[in-house]
Amino acid sequence: EAGVAQSPRYKIIEKRQSVAFWCNPISGHATLYWYQQILGQGPKLLIQFQNNGVVDDSQLPKDRFSAERLKGVDSTLKIQPAKLEDSAVYLCASSGYTTGELFFGEGSRLTVL
Amino acid sequence: QQQVKQSPQSLIVQKGGISIINCAYENTAFDYFPWYQQFPGKGPALLIAIRPDVSEKKEGRFTISFNKSAKQFSLHIMDSQPGDSATYFCAAYSGSRLTFGEGTQLTVNP
Repeated sequence: EAGVAQSPRYKIIEKRQSVAFWCNPISGHATLYWYQQILGQGPKLLIQFQNNGVVDDSQLPKDRFSAERLKGVDSTLKIQPAKLEDSAVYLCASSGYTTGELFFGEGSRLTVL
Repeated sequence: QQQVKQSPQSLIVQKGGISIINCAYENTAFDYFPWYQQFPGKGPALLIAIRPDVSEKKEGRFTISFNKSAKQFSLHIMDSQPGDSATYFCAAYSGSRLTFGEGTQLTVNP
């Protein structure tokens, strides 16, 4: 079974530029999550989708972050404009059941200069 | 409160020793407590998990101890090996949201 795929793995941008990350979850998984992991910290939930609807985006900085889930499968997370404090690893995860067992991708590491 | 507090931040043990990581929570609505293991450059991976209706769960060298009245749970790694060197996150699940602790960086010296 293929795991959660994310791209790009690494991205370096200047502040105020924009960036987009892509995620393909495990086939059949209805729930998709985007987490932000700052170095030395635990992952923090940004947004959660159930199929193509948003379940929780309470911690998403909506003035600069946006996310969508296309046809209930792939998802894109966008940051525009980026700030220095957005430097982090952006983790995508998916889950087939609402049990707390999430399957994570390897993450997209963003460096904002 | 959605916080999960984890300690210690870092832990160094000798090969063959016991590693113990502790977590505490406030929200009694949490109903599933997983531990995730993360290696550098990788995403977290589920290691072991427990529900609050049991006090202990063991899988191989890994054991979760759960104290519902104290709202605490811990991970014990028996016979720790250098390959166990990683960052460990406790987490708590409620209402489809998974909240992570801040992580413990474990180093097992050979």
